[in-house]
Amino acid sequence: GQQVMQIPQYQHVQEGEDFTTYCNSSTTLSNIQWYKQRPGGHPVFLIQLVKSGEVKKQKRLTFQFGEAKKNSSLHITATQTTDVGTYFCAGPSSGDKLTFGTGTRLAVRP
Amino acid sequence: DAGVIQSPRHEVTEMGQEVTLRCKPISGHNSLFWYRQTMMRGLELLIYFNNNVPIDDSGMPEDRFSAKMPNASFSTLKIQPSEPRDSAVYFCASSRTVGGTYEQYFGPGTRLTVT
Repeated sequence: GQQVMQIPQYQHVQEGEDFTTYCNSSTTLSNIQWYKQRPGGHPVFLIQLVKSGEVKKQKRLTFQFGEAKKNSSLHITATQTTDVGTYFCAGPSSGDKLTFGTGTRLAVRP
Repeated sequence: DAGVIQSPRHEVTEMGQEVTLRCKPISGHNSLFWYRQTMMRGLELLIYFNNNVPIDDSGMPEDRFSAKMPNASFSTLKIQPSEPRDSAVYFCASSRTVGGTYEQYFGPGTRLTVT
């Protein structure tokens, strides 16, 4: 079945440093979604990318969808303590289902 | 809008007891998803409904798990009998889907502990 892997599994950065998480799918995706889950919270939708090579920005967050539509990345510039949490990518599988990636947990040292 | 509502928020029960988790999706959303999250297995889809009909229950671990959606505004996930390995956070999510995949809105989750 479809697999969605993310690296790294965990990253600890100093506040102000940049952070990037990478998402790789075993199959070509029609779109990719990104979610953020704060510690003790629930996943919250951030963004959806649809086009090959698409790049979208949300303030300090930059999302990219690969040309082959099998990978994606999320880059955070100058991390802040509010960025702490686990970031998940998710791709559609069959029907209305999403396959969530393994997640990257971000810790930020103030 | 109130968002997805789940109850209870926390449940502690003894092995062998029946557990019922409840979910009210966002009004107007036609798809509902039940997920389980653990450190070991991550976020797993258990079952999802479209227009109140179960579409895919391939993620339901075993016959001890059952889910229903009697109407568009209510769904339950039942575990009977519960076992310690069922301890996890259970999320309900809803989405408005019309011929494609759309963002999912998650509820706050139910943290289940089975002793």
